[in-house]
Amino acid sequence: EPEVTQTPSHQVTQMGQEVILRCVPISNHLYFYWYRQILGQKVEFLVSFYNNEISEKSEIFDDQFSVERPDGSNFTLKIRSTKLEDSAMYFCASSESAGRNTIYFGEGSWLTVV
Amino acid sequence: DAKTTQPNSMESNEEEPVHLPCNHSTISGTDYIHWYRQLPSQGPEYVIHGLTSNVNNRMASLAIAEDRKSSTLILHRATLRDAAVYYCILRDGWGGGSNYKLTFGKGTLLTVNP
Repeated sequence: EPEVTQTPSHQVTQMGQEVILRCVPISNHLYFYWYRQILGQKVEFLVSFYNNEISEKSEIFDDQFSVERPDGSNFTLKIRSTKLEDSAMYFCASSESAGRNTIYFGEGSWLTVV
Repeated sequence: DAKTTQPNSMESNEEEPVHLPCNHSTISGTDYIHWYRQLPSQGPEYVIHGLTSNVNNRMASLAIAEDRKSSTLILHRATLRDAAVYYCILRDGWGGGSNYKLTFGKGTLLTVNP
């Protein structure tokens, strides 16, 4: 079964450093998402991406965050200057279309900021 | 987004059926009812979705009330692997704008006893 893959599975970074989390969505999917989950809390929406542009972003997704689809297969989330409160599990997801279709999630990248 | 209400937790015994309820009294006519689950330390996983009629798949069944203001996810024979947080989420079937994303609540933590 096709799956969304994410790298790295775990990254430890120092506060203030830039981090790039990578995702390979399912190949025929057109909609891409990033979510995060702070330990013990809800899964929170960060951003959705379609047709090479952001279609929606949450309040969490401020100027420190950016997304990119650099080569038609990867989908990346960059955090420019990490803060302690960015420590969380980050999930990439993709879907074939909006609305009715299933959204498939990756296994997550666990980011620890020290 | 239309809201859903789920019990915080439920318990079941292995190999017994489990009925997970969800109330969504403000559901709109184009909202699909989606169920996802999240096993410990994993990304959310699609379970099932439906609009008006009851739905069955290899994982579960979804029973939707006639007025669509509530639904029940049915696991026919719970296994230890079914222990997870189960999320009931409404998502507009026609996509567009804020309807691309899934909005997660706290869900129901299902414990399965051996």
